Amino acid sequence: DAGVIQSPRHEVTEMGQEVTLRCKLISGHNSLFWYRQTMMRGLELLIYFNNNVPIDDSGMPEDRFSAKMPNASFSTLKIQPSEPRDSAVYFCASSPGQGRSYNSPLHFGNGTRLTVT
Amino acid sequence: GDSVTQMEGPVTLSEEAFLTINCTYTATGYPSLFWYVQYPGEGLQLLLKATKADDKGSNKGFEATYRKETTSFHLEKGSVQVSDSAVYFCALSDRGGANNLFFGTGTRLTVIP
Repeated sequence: DAGVIQSPRHEVTEMGQEVTLRCKLISGHNSLFWYRQTMMRGLELLIYFNNNVPIDDSGMPEDRFSAKMPNASFSTLKIQPSEPRDSAVYFCASSPGQGRSYNSPLHFGNGTRLTVT
Repeated sequence: GDSVTQMEGPVTLSEEAFLTINCTYTATGYPSLFWYVQYPGEGLQLLLKATKADDKGSNKGFEATYRKETTSFHLEKGSVQVSDSAVYFCALSDRGGANNLFFGTGTRLTVIP
């Protein structure tokens, strides 16, 4: 099992550019979570999906952020246009089972470090 | 609402010292409790968990006991190693609601030889 795979590992872009972050879930996992981590705000949940359907996107900071799950094993997080304050490490995580089992741990990818200049 | 409060770091210890990282929680129901660890350049990974009161989670020499009376889940290790240097997150997951996993702010541990 390769685990949750995120790409790219690092992304440096200029303000105003579109950024797409990618995530491949662990096979058989049904829930997908996007988190953002910064020194100031710690770990923040942006959005999560269950069976490809977005369940809660209340953590998405602005309309500039959008996330999709085109199939059961893959997700993208897009920022358009990007701004310097979006600089952070973005993690996706997946969880097994149907629905959001409250005692199932999350499996995190290694993150994408985004720098917007 | 549900929340987790954990000891602020950073924490610096010498090798073989005893470690305690405090974590307390607020929850309306009967949550499951977790400790996650994040090594440099990596994502978080589950260290241990406990799903009901008085349960003890343990892994890699780390332990934490679910104390309902004090709403705590303190992480302990009797003898830390340099390889334990990482950021540790306490987390809570409750039984109700969709968005129900809450992380603490993390505690950075550095172990020096």
